[in-house]
Parts: sequence; C-alpha cells; structure tokens
Amino acid sequence: EPEVTQTPSHQVTQMGQEVILRCVPISNHLYFYWYRQILGQKVEFLVSFYNNEISEKSEIFDDQFSVERPDGSNFTLKIRSTKLEDSAMYFCASSGTGFGQPQHFGDGTRLSIL
Amino acid sequence: EDKVVQSPLSLVVHEGDTVTLNCSYEVTNFRSLLWYKQEKKAPTFLFMLTSSGIEKKSGRLSSILDKKELFSILNITATQTGDSAVYLCAVGSPNFGNEKLTFGTGTRLTIIP
Repeated sequence: EPEVTQTPSHQVTQMGQEVILRCVPISNHLYFYWYRQILGQKVEFLVSFYNNEISEKSEIFDDQFSVERPDGSNFTLKIRSTKLEDSAMYFCASSGTGFGQPQHFGDGTRLSIL
Repeated sequence: EDKVVQSPLSLVVHEGDTVTLNCSYEVTNFRSLLWYKQEKKAPTFLFMLTSSGIEKKSGRLSSILDKKELFSILNITATQTGDSAVYLCAVGSPNFGNEKLTFGTGTRLTIIP
C-alpha cells in the first residue's frame, strides 16, 4: 500500500539553526499538509499546500516557516531560525485528488532543539 | 475557535470487552469527521464520516456521526491487545479542496490480556 515517507526520523539541532524536514507524499496525491504534535499535546495544523502554493496556514506558521515542493516528489518544511519551543513531532500528510479524500500521514520527524 | 473534545481521555479494559469512544465538536465550517489510530508514530486512517446516521464498519470497528448533536462514536467490539493505541478524532474544515484537520486530544485505550 502506498505511504507517505518522512526523513529524517529524528533531528537534533542547536537553537538558531535552520532545519529542513522532508516528505515524499503518496505519488498521485495533490494536497499536502504539515502538522505538529508537541509532546503530550494535540496534533496541530500548520499549513496546507496545493498547486505549488499555500492554501491555508495557522497562526503557528509564522515568517520562520516555509514550505516548498522543489521537484515532483518531495515536499519540505523549513524552519529558518529554530527556537526551543519548535521541539515537536512534525507530521506530513497528503490526500488525493478531490473532496472527501482522507489525509494519510507519514511516521513523522521528531525535532529536538537544544 | 474550532474545538474537538474526546472522552474518555483514557480507558483500560480486558480483552474481549466492547468499548465506545466519544468525540464532540464545535467548528465553524464542517465537512467531515475522521478517526485515526495512533500507535507509535503515524496516525493511521480508520474512518471518514460526512453524513449523519450512516454507520461505517470495518471488521470489529464501527463509527457513526450525528451532525445535529455534533458528535461521533467509535465502537470496538471483542477487543484485542492489538487495539491498544491512542484513538484520534479530527474534524475537517474545507478550503478550496484542501481540508484543515482539527484534532482532539485523543483517547488512550489499553487492552489487558
């Protein structure tokens, strides 16, 4: 069964450094998402992406965050200058071609900021 | 602010028991309600519900949505140890084909052999 893959599984970074989290969505999906889950808290929406542009973003997704689809397969989340509070599990999700298609999630990247 | 509330937060039952997990919601713009199972890592899709009163079933799991009372239940019959997980409820709000999901805190289900 096709799946969403994310790399790396765990990233440890010094505060202030830039990080790029990578995702390969399911191949025929057109809608892409990033969510995060701080330890012990709810899964929170960050951003949705379609047709090479952001469709919607949350208040969390400030100027330090950006997303990109640099080629036909990858979907990346960049955090420019990481803060301690960015430590979380980051999930990528994708959904298919139209309304009523569920989002399928990757295994996540655990980001630890020191 | 959109809100999804799940209950109970935690549930411990014996293998073979039947459990009912609850999810209520208040969202500005509703399109769907989804249930996911989260074991160690990725939330795994279980059900997507868009219409009231129509039960969705997959093996021992079933779910139903009530759009008038704004809630959904997830039932698991004849529970097994492999059902131990966090069960997440999420509500989808549409935006030009995209669908932002608002999650509840989850119900942690533990099945004792």
